[in-house]
Amino acid sequence: ETGVTQSPTHLIKTRGQQVTLRCSSQSGHNTVSWYQQALGQGPQFIFQYYREEENGRGNFPPRFSGLQFPNYSSELNVNALELDDSALYLCASSWAGGEDGYTFGSGTRLTVV
Amino acid sequence: GENVEQHPSTLSVQEGDSAVIKCTYSDSASNYFPWYKQELGKGPQLIIDIRSNVGEKKDQRIAVTLNKTAKHFSLHITETQPEDSAVYFCAAIPNTGNQFYFGTGTSLTVIP
Repeated sequence: ETGVTQSPTHLIKTRGQQVTLRCSSQSGHNTVSWYQQALGQGPQFIFQYYREEENGRGNFPPRFSGLQFPNYSSELNVNALELDDSALYLCASSWAGGEDGYTFGSGTRLTVV
Repeated sequence: GENVEQHPSTLSVQEGDSAVIKCTYSDSASNYFPWYKQELGKGPQLIIDIRSNVGEKKDQRIAVTLNKTAKHFSLHITETQPEDSAVYFCAAIPNTGNQFYFGTGTSLTVIP
């Protein structure tokens, strides 16, 4: 059974640019959730995708958007990057609503300069 | 929405001693409480969880207790080992939603 894989592991972008982060869910999982983890903080919910549709969203602006593909993999897109977007972005997969816990990937460390 | 508070933010214990991390939550509708361990450079890893219909759960050296009335839950690690050193996060999920609300984390250091 494969775990959750995220790419890239590290990324440096300039303020105002756009970025796409990718996630492959664990085998057997059909739901993907994205979290932002600032340094020294707990993960903050961005949104969740289930059956290729957004299934809940946290307090993040519309410039954060996502996709889920038929194979359950997912992308997180962030437009018009700001310095405060610098963080570890975590993808977590689960079965259905995630009530049995998430399996997290190792994250993508995004630095905006 | 749910608000999860976690204490302490840092904790140092001697190898072999016990460690306790406490969390409180605000939403009485929360019914699932996982604990995650995050090592440097890695994503959080689920170590134990508890549901609202259970008061205590154990898995070898790790145990979690839940007090629904007081809205708090705790992680207990006994016979700590240096490899237990990591950041630990508690979380809560309301039965009305699908997002996990995480605490701010506890950095545990086990001194050999």
